[in-house]
Amino acid sequence: DAKTTQPPSMDCAEGRAANLPCNHSTISGNEYVYWYRQIHSQGPQYIIHGLKNNETNEMASLIITEDRKSSTLILPHATLRDTAVYYCIVRRGGTASKLTFGTGTRLQVTL
Amino acid sequence: NAGVTQTPKFRILKIGQSMTLQCTQDMNHNYMYWYRQDPGMGLKLIYYSVGAGITDKGEVPNGYNVSRSTTEDFPLRLELAAPSQTSVYFCASSYSAGLLSGNTIYFGEGSWLTVV
Repeated sequence: DAKTTQPPSMDCAEGRAANLPCNHSTISGNEYVYWYRQIHSQGPQYIIHGLKNNETNEMASLIITEDRKSSTLILPHATLRDTAVYYCIVRRGGTASKLTFGTGTRLQVTL
Repeated sequence: NAGVTQTPKFRILKIGQSMTLQCTQDMNHNYMYWYRQDPGMGLKLIYYSVGAGITDKGEVPNGYNVSRSTTEDFPLRLELAAPSQTSVYFCASSYSAGLLSGNTIYFGEGSWLTVV
């Protein structure tokens, strides 16, 4: 699975959009981009994933560049409860595929 | 659905003791995983299974054993506990739906293990 690069930490004011970048320049054609987050030491929580197209759900939006070498997770209106470590993961779909976690981005949402 | 359930939530072991972390899922997922997370670090894969009767090593398998006799259960066994195994353990599961599918992986809430 391709390696990802994320900034170690970011700050965001409550109510503003949080834009979390991820670089995955070695991604291959059948690899998906996944985003998970971990609040304190709870189990990682799935946020969103995509292959080529931009995706949106009730939690966030995922913007993937046309060359697929980078992506951005957008939390449109960050709240204090969004303070967490956010992991960008590239994963091959199908048999025996598994998530490989890096160290992620620690997002701190402040008043 | 309860999702992925892990027991126990907390446990203190003495060096050399053995124990089993239990994991069960009720989503009929065929893939299951065990991860460990040391303080301030990302998750590392210990073992995984793609179906009943099939298991394989992950990144850090030494000191652990697993079995998968049913689709629902994937216990993790520590045979001779060592202080280096003090960590938070997460079990996870997912459903395989074909080569090009993106399959969400669901995690349990974790088991905190301290070896003293």
